[in-house]
Amino acid sequence: EVQLVQSGAEVKKPGESLKISCKASGYRFTSYWIAWVRQMPGKGLEWMGIIYPGDSDTRYSPSFQGQVTISADKSISTAYLQWSSLKASDTAMYYCARHPGLPDYWGQGTLVTV
Amino acid sequence: DIQMTQSPSSLSASVGDRVTITCRASQGIRNDLAWYQQKPGKAPKRLIYAASSLQSGVPSRFSGSGSGTEFTLTISSLQPEDFATYYCLHHNSYPRTFGGGTKVEIK
Repeated sequence: EVQLVQSGAEVKKPGESLKISCKASGYRFTSYWIAWVRQMPGKGLEWMGIIYPGDSDTRYSPSFQGQVTISADKSISTAYLQWSSLKASDTAMYYCARHPGLPDYWGQGTLVTV
Repeated sequence: DIQMTQSPSSLSASVGDRVTITCRASQGIRNDLAWYQQKPGKAPKRLIYAASSLQSGVPSRFSGSGSGTEFTLTISSLQPEDFATYYCLHHNSYPRTFGGGTKVEIK
């Protein structure tokens, strides 16, 4: 069974750094892209970017390029989304999803409050 | 980037109604469009991909159509569990982009 389990909710201050995680199981982690999707409070879904864990190739939406970093550790089947300096506007729910061209299986979401 | 415009942004309907949601792409995307359902506090769930292919396990009352720039999601007979927000997503090029969403509420 494909599962994506995300790390728990975070409360941070502006200017702090943060790295949230998404642990995959039930499939070959290195063979599928993983996406990150943002949902700000009461708003719609925003596609942030993707990573291919097999070679760490990444593609970002221009809206998020330079604002976040997507990475992966294939040894532990885990993808990451990180910020070097959080802003209040980063407050949102963040979802990871397996992404064979488009999202299919989703994590439960990580709420980040800044 | 390709922009996806959904309409309406919200609608009220009754159980048993036929509901249609439209998504328009800012340029042609062939049939590279998916539809997702999201309930409050939950992750999205894929209903349709490639414009009209029904995801395994999704009830047949859901259907998708369209190609190029105009797409529709139809719920043939709305059920209580269908009250949710629906999003389109193009999967034609990068970056992928979602539509703004359509909230389906109980009349």
